[in-house]
Amino acid sequence: KQEVTQIPAALSVPEGENLVLNCSFTDSAIYNLQWFRQDPGKGLTSLLLIQSSQREQTSGRLNASLDKSSGRSTLYIAASQPGDSATYLCAVNTGNQFYFGTGTSLTVIP
Amino acid sequence: EPEVTQTPSHQVTQMGQEVILRCVPISNHLYFYWYRQILGQKVEFLVSFYNNEISEKSEIFDDQFSVERPDGSNFTLKIRSTKLEDSAMYFCASRGVGTYGYTFGSGTRLTVV
Repeated sequence: KQEVTQIPAALSVPEGENLVLNCSFTDSAIYNLQWFRQDPGKGLTSLLLIQSSQREQTSGRLNASLDKSSGRSTLYIAASQPGDSATYLCAVNTGNQFYFGTGTSLTVIP
Repeated sequence: EPEVTQTPSHQVTQMGQEVILRCVPISNHLYFYWYRQILGQKVEFLVSFYNNEISEKSEIFDDQFSVERPDGSNFTLKIRSTKLEDSAMYFCASRGVGTYGYTFGSGTRLTVV
């Protein structure tokens, strides 16, 4: 069974810092990997989708990388802002379902 | 941008009662999903639905759960006799043919008392 782990569980940084969130998964047989943002008590907002054949995807200040063979993905956030404060979830798609990590709770301090 | 719409946003129900959670997927999507997130835990897969039938379901999706697409727009999750442990946020998601990313709704928070 696919297991997805995210570290750190929580992160607090001053505004303007660049930061990296990590995601690891146990089974490299994946179709794609998606990063989501979740605000407290809210739904899941898709940030980036990386296909299994891709190495990275970029959207604005966000960059996600994928190393399928080692079972790792990172989400890089440049020049963090207080509005980036949220929980970031990594999810791997093995075919007909996503397996989610427990998330990294990010706080950006003004 | 197209959205997946879920109603209600919050539902409180008595243990043993039936509840129906409603979702309106994106109009041209054909793959539909339900996930749930118990407070403080991971988002978990419940069921996937395509071509008017269940294509995959998890161990959580037992006989108390059912899904239906009663018309061309709605996709529902029914819990026949709710238990305290069914309290969670339930997310609906949809995906289009030939696309790979899921679009999630904003969720229904179900509280069983």
